[in-house]
Amino acid sequence: NAGVTQTPKFRVLKTGQSMTLLCAQDMNHEYMYWYRQDPGMGLRLIHYSVGEGTTAKGEVPDGYNVSRLKKQNFLLGLESAAPSQTSVYFCASSLVNRGSDTQYFGPGTRLTVL
Amino acid sequence: AQSVAQPEDQVNVAEGNPLTVKCTYSVSGNPYLFWYVQYPNRGLQFLLKYITGDNLVKGSYGFEAEFNKSQTSFHLKKPSALVSDSALYFCAVRAPAGYSSASKIIFGSGTRLSIRP
Repeated sequence: NAGVTQTPKFRVLKTGQSMTLLCAQDMNHEYMYWYRQDPGMGLRLIHYSVGEGTTAKGEVPDGYNVSRLKKQNFLLGLESAAPSQTSVYFCASSLVNRGSDTQYFGPGTRLTVL
Repeated sequence: AQSVAQPEDQVNVAEGNPLTVKCTYSVSGNPYLFWYVQYPNRGLQFLLKYITGDNLVKGSYGFEAEFNKSQTSFHLKKPSALVSDSALYFCAVRAPAGYSSASKIIFGSGTRLSIRP
């Protein structure tokens, strides 16, 4: 049981390049989330998904797109990377979206945009 | 709008001494409150949560937190700190079901806990 995994772990992009971050979970969780972590700002929700085939915007969705074609995978895409997107990205999942449910986090992807 | 504040960027404690990491919140209704810990180059790990009931919640690694509704606080505590407790700690809040913000969990900015030998 690997929990939540993320690939890649590190990436450096040039401004304007595109990339996709992959999140996978093997806990049969319905809900999945993408966050970004910036110094002094905690975690901010980018997009989330309440189930296969569905996605919704979070707190800071601009410049990102997501897809949830399979229940176990949640992809985060950057179509045209900008230096402001330099951050550490975390994926998380939870069984359902009741307020009391615990989220399980992946190890993170450190992205640098030059 | 719901929010959570961690007023201290860093807390320094000597090993063996008690520690407190502060958290205050603002949310409609009775909140769900969480503490997560992040070790270097790792994702966040769940420590404990308050849903309802006893105001003192016990969690992993000997940590506990006290919910204080009148002061809207949820401070993390441990009676005797270990060097291995050194990490980044996040408080988080979520509105209960029925509120428009219930789908989102809001994280604080984090407090770096440093335990010196």
